[in-house]
Amino acid sequence: EAGVVQSPRYKIIEKKQPVAFWCNPISGHNTLYWYLQNLGQGPELLIRYENEEAVDDSQLPKDRFSAERLKGVDSTLKIQPAELGDSAVYLCASSLSTGGSYNEQFFGPGTRLTVL
Amino acid sequence: AQSVAQPEDQVNVAEGNPLTVKCTYSVSGNPYLFWYVQYPNRGLQFLLKYITGDNLVKGSYGFEAEFNKSQTSFHLKKPSALVSDSALYFCAVIEGYQKVTFGTGTKLQVIP
Repeated sequence: EAGVVQSPRYKIIEKKQPVAFWCNPISGHNTLYWYLQNLGQGPELLIRYENEEAVDDSQLPKDRFSAERLKGVDSTLKIQPAELGDSAVYLCASSLSTGGSYNEQFFGPGTRLTVL
Repeated sequence: AQSVAQPEDQVNVAEGNPLTVKCTYSVSGNPYLFWYVQYPNRGLQFLLKYITGDNLVKGSYGFEAEFNKSQTSFHLKKPSALVSDSALYFCAVIEGYQKVTFGTGTKLQVIP
């Protein structure tokens, strides 16, 4: 079974440029998460989707970040414009959520963003 | 607000010795607790979880964790450490439906 796929794995851009990250979750997983992970820190949730609905985006900086999961499968996270402080690893995870169960998340390898 | 603390940035242990990676949590309701491991240049991998039931939870790669409600702890343990266990370990707590908070991580170094 294929795991969570993320692309690109690495991205280097100059500040003020736009950037987009793509995630394809494990087949059948209805819940999808985007996290930001700074070096030496734990993942910080940016947004959580249940199918195509964003049910928790309270930590997403909406002035520059946006996300979509149009068909409830793959998802795109965008930053426009990027700032120096956005340099981090962006992680995507998915899980199968049924009836309020607390199931483990499966993580992709992440996209390492460097903003110059 | 929920929180989780991993008080040790790094834990060093000799190969073959038992290891413990500490985690404490703070929630207002019932905690749902997880351990994940992150190997270099790889994504986080699930190790084990506590939802309810037996306080001793067994997981992947010989790891186990003990839920202690009175001490609000969920320490990760393994009876005999392997060099290949060297990695970054994260504790996570969920309160409310799928709202998850991760700790800052503990680097485990197993010395041959």
